[in-house]
Amino acid sequence: DTEVTQTPKHLVMGMTNKKSLKCEQHMGHRAMYWYKQKAKKPPELMFVYSYEKLSINESVPSRFSPECPNSSLLNLHLHALQPEDSALYLCASSQDQAGLASSNEQFFGPGTRLTVL
Amino acid sequence: LAKTTQPISMDSYEGQEVNITCSHNNIATNDYITWYQQFPSQGPRFIIQGYKTKVTNEVASLFIPADRKSSTLSLPRVSLSDTAVYYCLLLGGDDKIIFGKGTRLHILP
Repeated sequence: DTEVTQTPKHLVMGMTNKKSLKCEQHMGHRAMYWYKQKAKKPPELMFVYSYEKLSINESVPSRFSPECPNSSLLNLHLHALQPEDSALYLCASSQDQAGLASSNEQFFGPGTRLTVL
Repeated sequence: LAKTTQPISMDSYEGQEVNITCSHNNIATNDYITWYQQFPSQGPRFIIQGYKTKVTNEVASLFIPADRKSSTLSLPRVSLSDTAVYYCLLLGGDDKIIFGKGTRLHILP
C-alpha cells in the first residue's frame, strides 16, 4: 500500500468552528508532514513529525494544532480560523525526515480543500 | 525564500522532448536535487532525484553539470497528460523543505 489518504476531501467551516483534518499512511513511514497550498502557489511546509514527535513547526499560528496519535496517523486540529486560511491542505509521509537525508521521497495525499467562511 | 529558480511556464507539443531547467546557485554540498509533478487538485508526486551527472528512470532524466548550480529535467516524448506543474527543490543540506515557484508545463496537441 503506497497511498496516503486524507479525510475529508472538502471542508467548509465558519470562523468559530472546530474541525479536524485526518491523514493516514500504512507504508511504515516514520516522518509525516502538513503543507498548506494556496491557489497557483507552491506547497508551504507547516509541520513535520518524526517518530511521532513534532520536529518542525514553521511558525504556524496556534489556531492550527497538529497531533500524531501513532506512526500511521496525523491530525490537524483547526479552531478559530480566518478566511485567509482557506487553502488545500496536503499531508505527506516519507521513510525518514526529508531534508536531513537524500533519498527521502515524500508521498503526498490528495489533500483537503478547506474553505473558511 | 526559495533556493531554486525555474521558468514560470512552458508550452510544448505532444511527442516532443521537454527540458525544464532549474537554477540553484547556492546549492549546499549535502543537497540533492529533487523534482515533483503536481496535477490540479492533487498532491505532488515524486519524479526523480539526483546528486550529480545524470540520473534516468522510467519517466524522466535529470542532468546535473559538474558545478551543480543548475539542473535540467528532461521529459521524453510528452503527451497531453504531462500537462502539470513541475517543482524543483533541494533536499538534504538542512532541514528546510522549500518548494520553488514551479513551472507550469502546457502540452498542446
